[in-house]
Amino acid sequence: EADIYQTPRYLVIGTGKKITLECSQTMGHDKMYWYQQDPGMELHLIHYSYGVNSTEKGDLSSESTVSRIRTEHFPLTLESARPSHTSQYLCASTVTGVKGGAQYFGPGTRLTVL
Amino acid sequence: AQSVSQHNHHVILSEAASLELGCNYSYGGTVNLFWYVQYPGQHLQLLLKYFSGDPLVKGIKGFEAEFIKSKFSFNLRKPSVQWSDTAEYFCAVWGLRSYNTDKLIFGTGTRLQVFP
Repeated sequence: EADIYQTPRYLVIGTGKKITLECSQTMGHDKMYWYQQDPGMELHLIHYSYGVNSTEKGDLSSESTVSRIRTEHFPLTLESARPSHTSQYLCASTVTGVKGGAQYFGPGTRLTVL
Repeated sequence: AQSVSQHNHHVILSEAASLELGCNYSYGGTVNLFWYVQYPGQHLQLLLKYFSGDPLVKGIKGFEAEFIKSKFSFNLRKPSVQWSDTAEYFCAVWGLRSYNTDKLIFGTGTRLQVFP
């Protein structure tokens, strides 16, 4: 059973607030990802990390930032939230290897910015 | 550029009906293929995967998928659906050139509703 956690599950905040979405995994996976998903749409990769102190931007431009100080922790931060940031954010992780793509997902954070 | 197409956006079936969800991908090299499922209120989880070998792969809950390389397809099937199969289904592709990043490309998803 994959163990990847995200908090909060739901967040409603006002414009201009700084927020951090938490993601933790207990599987020792080196690679972690953040996806953004709007209702009824596909997932878009916004950030990924190969390991500690490694972060890269994904295919979808995002105003968010990430950090990877510990293997198990990959938080996402929005310095100043806007209504356009309203979406669901999914965190995932996997191990390095030829069996690429077998990612484990967290439950997601549904963010609403008023 | 890699892309994934899922032809059915919304499928409605009665229990015991057969299911086939289409998935085609665009990529010129070796791929790993996946179907993920998201049940209502639950997180996205891996349903089945293809890395190599037998092109017919079996997953959880009686689902199977067939990789047809010549058609760039990886369709999902189930002979007899149940109400509990109601969920969103996503096809995903990982290209071998993405080895260093393990980046997945997802389709837009198919919403399956099964009525008793």
